[in-house]
Parts: sequence; C-alpha cells; structure tokens
Amino acid sequence: EVHLVESGGGLVQPGGSLRLYCAASGFTFSSYWMSWVRQAPGKGLEWVANINEDGSEKYYVDSVKGRFTFSRDNARNSLYLQMNNLRAEDTAVYYCVGGGYARFWGQGTLVTVSS
Amino acid sequence: QAVVTQEPSLTVSPGGTVTLTCASSTGAVTSGHYPYWFQQRPGQAPRTLIYDTSDKHSWTPARFSGSLLGGKAALTLSGAQPEDEAEYYCLLSYGGGRVFGGGTKLTVL
Repeated sequence: EVHLVESGGGLVQPGGSLRLYCAASGFTFSSYWMSWVRQAPGKGLEWVANINEDGSEKYYVDSVKGRFTFSRDNARNSLYLQMNNLRAEDTAVYYCVGGGYARFWGQGTLVTVSS
Repeated sequence: QAVVTQEPSLTVSPGGTVTLTCASSTGAVTSGHYPYWFQQRPGQAPRTLIYDTSDKHSWTPARFSGSLLGGKAALTLSGAQPEDEAEYYCLLSYGGGRVFGGGTKLTVL
C-alpha cells in the first residue's frame, strides 16, 4: 500500500524557520518527480515546488524563491522542504504529491506562521 | 507568473452533464500545458482525476472526461452523482513551473 506521510508542521513566528518531511513507501520513490502543494485555510490549492528524480532539477513558485529549499534523499525515500524567513501568508496545509502523474497525495501537515 | 482561471461555482442536476473549464492568462491552453484535474471533497486531501489533458487514473470514474475546448482545458462530468459534489481544481504546466486554477465549487442539486 502506498503512503505519503508529511510531518514537521507547527506554529512558528514570522521570520522563523521550519523543516517539513515527507516519508514515502509502497512505490518506487526514486523513479518519480515529486512536489509540494499547499492550501491556506479556506482557500484553493497552490503549487509550491517540484523536484526531479535525482534532485538535480528544482522549480519553485515565485513567492517562495530564495526562502524555501526542496530536497530529497532517495536512500531514505524522503522529501524535505526547508522553509526560512516564514511569513503569515505561508500559513497553510502542506501536501507532498507524486508517484507519476500526481497519483499519490499525503494527508498534509499544517504550518501556522503567527506571533 | 501566469494566472489560471476557473468558474467559481457551477450547479448540475443529478444525472445531468456539466463542463468545467480552465483558462490561461498567457493564451490558449494546449496539450503542452499538460492539464491536470483534481477533486477535493470537504475535509479531505485532493485526489487526481485527469492528467495530460484526458488520461485517467484507475480510480477515476468513467463519467469524468478531460479535453481541450475553445482554447481552454475542460473537465466534463456526464451523469452527475451526489458524491461528485466537491471542489475541482485544474493545474497547468509552464515549463518547470505549475499553476493551479482558483477552483470550481460544483453543487449537485
């Protein structure tokens, strides 16, 4: 059975940092592009970032460029999203997505940026 | 970055047919935007229904279909069921980046 499990969310002050994790199982993780997608409370989906199979290509939405870093460890079937200089508008549920044609979605982890 | 536009809300009768559309601020949507469609029910994570304009996952009900229509990506639901009431999002690719539409709230009534 396929699982994508996000963790690392929580409450952080503006300007602070958090590192999100996504643990993958049940599919050949290293063969697929993976993504982070977020959803602010009561709002729509927003694509955040993509990473290719070996981590050598990454793309980010303009609003997080220079602040967020997406990485992966194929030996550990894991994704990481390092989020620095967080802003109130980064408050959202963060989903990891992937497995070929966005087959699999995690259940999300909530990040709240507030003083 | 591009802006992707969807109808904010639509209503369909049970058993009826409805088409949701997805437009790009940069011009006509083509197969090169690799359109995706996602369904999100309240309180649940999204799930992917359609990828690459019209391809379906194994779990996608046959009553959903994707296409290009009049310069937009389109999701057609034929024979709406009560369980199809949900928010629907499209996603377009622009090179390495991706942009979601604002979503369409579909009511089955």
